[in-house]
Amino acid sequence: QQPVQSPQAVILREGEDAVINCSSSKALYSVHWYRQKHGEAPVFLMILLKGGEQKGHEKISASFNEKKQQSSLYLTASQLSYSGTYFCGTGAAGNKLTFGGGTRVLVKP
Amino acid sequence: DGGITQSPKYLFRKEGQNVTLSCEQNLNHDAMYWYRQDPGQGLRLIYYSQIVNDFQKGDIAEGYSVSREKKESFPLTVTSAQKNPTAFYLCASSTDYYEQYFGPGTRLTVT
Repeated sequence: QQPVQSPQAVILREGEDAVINCSSSKALYSVHWYRQKHGEAPVFLMILLKGGEQKGHEKISASFNEKKQQSSLYLTASQLSYSGTYFCGTGAAGNKLTFGGGTRVLVKP
Repeated sequence: DGGITQSPKYLFRKEGQNVTLSCEQNLNHDAMYWYRQDPGQGLRLIYYSQIVNDFQKGDIAEGYSVSREKKESFPLTVTSAQKNPTAFYLCASSTDYYEQYFGPGTRLTVT
């Protein structure tokens, strides 16, 4: 079953903060976060693993509540480059991920 | 430079024809994946492969076929049995449990 992302869309002013949530009905081993610009491939942002390990490339933070099967991505002091569609991908076993429907983020000057 | 290449970027076919999309990686990753993305939608897994000569169906495998004869290559064939093949197709690769690296995608249009 596909994880549910909320909100579906958010508009920010540069410098503002936002939180994107990802909820799953299944027990999770991992949560991945990606950002996709229009017409381009998704780019990896962060992975959170059961047990607390995290790995990310950018100054974007996230949390993973294993009991609630939820993850949140925190966009802090947003920049114009943060605009795009954010996807969470949840992994229950092996390497297979199931992606949510996405959250569209628009950061305005 | 290491990465994933997909070709072609745009592909046009007539209904009823099979078409093969190319995906090559030189990242030495064991796992490779194929996803389909429709406008305004998320990514849906078609097939994935964790080792050479082995692959598993994803959530929407009907009408598609794959092969994994080499570690570097994971071609996807969209067959005439796929009812709505027009979509953006993305290939990805990864090491175990870690981030997936995506190729630039192939936009397939079938008329």
